Amino acid sequence: AQSVTQLDSQVPVFEEAPVELRCNYSSSVSVYLFWYVQYPNQGLQLLLKYLSGSTLVKGINGFEAEFNKSQTSFHLRKPSVHISDTAEYFCAVTGSSTDKLIFGTGTRLQVFP
Amino acid sequence: DTGVSQDPRHKITKRGQNVTFRCDPISEHNRLYWYRQTLGQGPEFLTYFQNEAQLEKSRLLSDRFSAERPKGSFSTLEIQRTEQGDSAMYLCASSLRASGRAGRETQYFGPGTRLLVL
Repeated sequence: AQSVTQLDSQVPVFEEAPVELRCNYSSSVSVYLFWYVQYPNQGLQLLLKYLSGSTLVKGINGFEAEFNKSQTSFHLRKPSVHISDTAEYFCAVTGSSTDKLIFGTGTRLQVFP
Repeated sequence: DTGVSQDPRHKITKRGQNVTFRCDPISEHNRLYWYRQTLGQGPEFLTYFQNEAQLEKSRLLSDRFSAERPKGSFSTLEIQRTEQGDSAMYLCASSLRASGRAGRETQYFGPGTRLLVL
């Protein structure tokens, strides 16, 4: 069965500092990986996804993630965060045999001025 | 493209009452998904449709829950005899599933319906 672990429930950071949100997955089959962002009282918005090919994936709002098969990780990074990046971030996985998304428990990114 | 819409955005009900939520997907999307999100957790899959056919249901979806997508467009999720444990955000998502490998398409989420059962 597939699963996703987000090790950090909260990540506080100052504005303009770099940030990394960690995600590890578990799967015995090929996986596709996603990062979604959820702003307060809103639905989820796709930041980026990895399907195949280059392991470094660039997304919206200056975010990027790197797929590391040997470490079963898909960490999200941004070199300089803004106050507006304050939100909940979810890592999710699907596989070649299923379309449903399996989500992690989320990481709350809090950006301070 | 107006995005996925859900109605109502908020619902407060008393235990034992029935509630129904509606989801309108992005037009021409053939896949429609329902997820449930409780406080401090990630969304959990409930069920999904390919056009009007319900293809999979999670074990989370007890007999009190029923979902329909009668004409392959909008969908409804009904909860009968609500319980306090049903309090959650109910999210709808849609996608365009082309032929080929599963799991690759992007799911677009609506704003959700927040249910509170008193």
